[in-house]
Amino acid sequence: QKEVEQDPGPLSVPEGAIVSLNCTYSNSAFQYFMWYRQYSRKGPELLMYTYSSGNKEDGRFTAQVDKSSKYISLFIRDSQPSDSATYLCAMIAAAGGTSYGKLTFGQGTILTVHP
Amino acid sequence: DTGVSQDPRHKITKRGQNVTFRCDPISEHNRLYWYRQTLGQGPEFLTYFQNEAQLEKSRLLSDRFSAERPKGSFSTLEIQRTEQGDSAMYLCASSLGRNNSPLHFGNGTRLTVT
Repeated sequence: QKEVEQDPGPLSVPEGAIVSLNCTYSNSAFQYFMWYRQYSRKGPELLMYTYSSGNKEDGRFTAQVDKSSKYISLFIRDSQPSDSATYLCAMIAAAGGTSYGKLTFGQGTILTVHP
Repeated sequence: DTGVSQDPRHKITKRGQNVTFRCDPISEHNRLYWYRQTLGQGPEFLTYFQNEAQLEKSRLLSDRFSAERPKGSFSTLEIQRTEQGDSAMYLCASSLGRNNSPLHFGNGTRLTVT
């Protein structure tokens, strides 16, 4: 079983829709959570970084963490065609845990927002 | 551009040849990471450096792979006797020296082994 599970999609939505992207994880040592966006033939670009359970908002993006359920989400409001990309969740373990000091990624979800 | 820089962007080589990739991290970052990404998958950790010290290597990193960061600045990743299974995107990332610091990635070197 992979430490981080992410539905690969693909996900196709109309412009203006609300998008929900999700990851589950099995390693309870994961304490820091990130979402990256990756355009074709480019490296991953950091979108959101969270630590505690709850919500963090940045413009049209909201990251949600539920440590008790080992579940994280990224919501995109008013989605735009320029949001079309692969979205990767990633996490780092706290001190003493496995995966300490390095990022473990989900598989990535391919999102297409059509006009 | 003060981001992470990787060179070359694309490398095509024949099976059995050696290849070397270079990564220049963000200047104030003392951690440097190498990841490998295959089609349809998320990046997989290969190795990382704190300054010039290589602190951890993944089991994915066979004896044919070697990475160096001689002066704690740029890094090189060498693959000897390349195999078709080595074809992938090789990503470099850097971060500040704290273990919870987010990673900033370059645009990768795409390796094709024919």
